[in-house]
Amino acid sequence: DGGITQSPKYLFRKEGQNVTLSCEQNLNHDAMYWYRQDPGQGLRLIYYSQIVNDFQKGDIAEGYSVSREKKESFPLTVTSAQKNPTAFYLCASGLRAGGTYEQYFGPGTRLTVT
Amino acid sequence: QKEVEQDPGPLSVPEGAIVSLNCTYSNSAFQYFMWYRQYSRKGPELLMYTYSSGNKEDGRFTAQVDKSSKYISLFIRDSQPSDSATYLCAMSAAGRRALTFGSGTRLQVQP
Repeated sequence: DGGITQSPKYLFRKEGQNVTLSCEQNLNHDAMYWYRQDPGQGLRLIYYSQIVNDFQKGDIAEGYSVSREKKESFPLTVTSAQKNPTAFYLCASGLRAGGTYEQYFGPGTRLTVT
Repeated sequence: QKEVEQDPGPLSVPEGAIVSLNCTYSNSAFQYFMWYRQYSRKGPELLMYTYSSGNKEDGRFTAQVDKSSKYISLFIRDSQPSDSATYLCAMSAAGRRALTFGSGTRLQVQP
C-alpha cells in the first residue's frame, strides 16, 4: 500500500515534556511538510523539507524541531517551548507538478497537552 | 489581511443540489490552485489541481479560476450526503515550495 502514515493517532502529554510525532511515506516523494490545524482555522505550515538533511522553517516554526535523515521519514518534535501545543498535526508529502508541489496528507495526529 | 479568504460556512444544501464553493486571494503571483476535501478528524484529500486561469472538470467536480478577479471556485454537481465535509482551497506561486491554505468551508448535504 502506498501512502503516508502518521503515528500515533492520539497523543497525550503533560506540559513541559517534549514529544515526537512520526511521519513516514512510501510514495518516493522528495518533499515533506508539517502543518498544524486548529479549530476553525486553515492549515499553518510549521516546517518543510525538499531533500534529505535539509529543511526550512514555515510560518510557525517556533517551539518545533524536525529532522530529515531519510527520504521516507520526517519526524516532528514539539518542544516545551511551544506555548500552545494542543492541536491536530498533519504531515504531507509533495509530488512535483509544474512549478509547485501537489501535497498528499497523512491521517493526522491529535496532540493534547495538559 | 489573510492572503486567502474563504467563507467558513456551514453551507447546507439538499441532496442533488449544485454546490458552489469559493475563495478569494490577494497575491497576484499565485498560479497554482488546488482544492482539498477534509472529513472530520481526517487528513485532507486532494480533489482538483489547476494551473493559471480556466476550468477543469473531473466527474461531478469542476474547478474554475479567474485570475483577473483573484477568485477561484469549486462546483459540485448532483451533491450527495457523502460530500459533506470541509473544503479547503490552496494555492502557490511559481517556485514556492509550500501552499497557502484557506480556512475551509464546511458543507452539509442533507438527504
